[in-house]
Amino acid sequence: DSGVTQTPKHLITATGQRVTLRCSPRSGDLSVYWYQQSLDQGLQFLIQYYNGEERAKGNILERFSAQQFPDLHSELNLSSLELGDSALYFCASSVTSGTSTDTQYFGPGTRLTVL
Amino acid sequence: AQSVTQLDSQVPVFEEAPVELRCNYSSSVSVYLFWYVQYPNQGLQLLLKYLSGSTLVKGINGFEAEFNKSQTSFHLRKPSVHISDTAEYFCAVRGSSNTGKLIFGQGTTLQVKP
Repeated sequence: DSGVTQTPKHLITATGQRVTLRCSPRSGDLSVYWYQQSLDQGLQFLIQYYNGEERAKGNILERFSAQQFPDLHSELNLSSLELGDSALYFCASSVTSGTSTDTQYFGPGTRLTVL
Repeated sequence: AQSVTQLDSQVPVFEEAPVELRCNYSSSVSVYLFWYVQYPNQGLQLLLKYLSGSTLVKGINGFEAEFNKSQTSFHLRKPSVHISDTAEYFCAVRGSSNTGKLIFGQGTTLQVKP
């Protein structure tokens, strides 16, 4: 158990819908990262928040957005869902914004299926 | 920009045999290197990491990796594998900027046969 929690574990929805994935980082961690794992794209970095502020952005679609709240939990919002958005979405957390000794700990993931 | 190439998508091996999973990276800046393991239906677990210092890094579950700057490689090895090592292994790189963004390889599935 990494200490990072993600809810829900599974999510099945229809095209065009909107969903919210939730992540609680390990106690004391200030950074939250979101990654998408799909069969065709592999594991891709989406976005990083550090202490409530966006820190780095990867290949995140405009239909996707994220935020980190004052209690440091984070939510990833996916809207106008398409079949290709079906994937495993991981959250990871770390203590700092990305200094040399920083290590990311991953949650169990949320499996999103878009029908 | 950084990139990671895992040279084998699948590696079948018999139990108690040695194994090497290959990883090459590309970067114009100093990097930090990681190996993560993903067991079926689970999240990613850190096996080991190279930040600086000794180029031979030891990790959990008997795995080790060697950083080779001239060959831009970070191959993962285990002298004797167990059935329980069957999983997907990911090599990842992080640049020396002040973000923690990880770039992952495509993964190598290690299949340990009895």
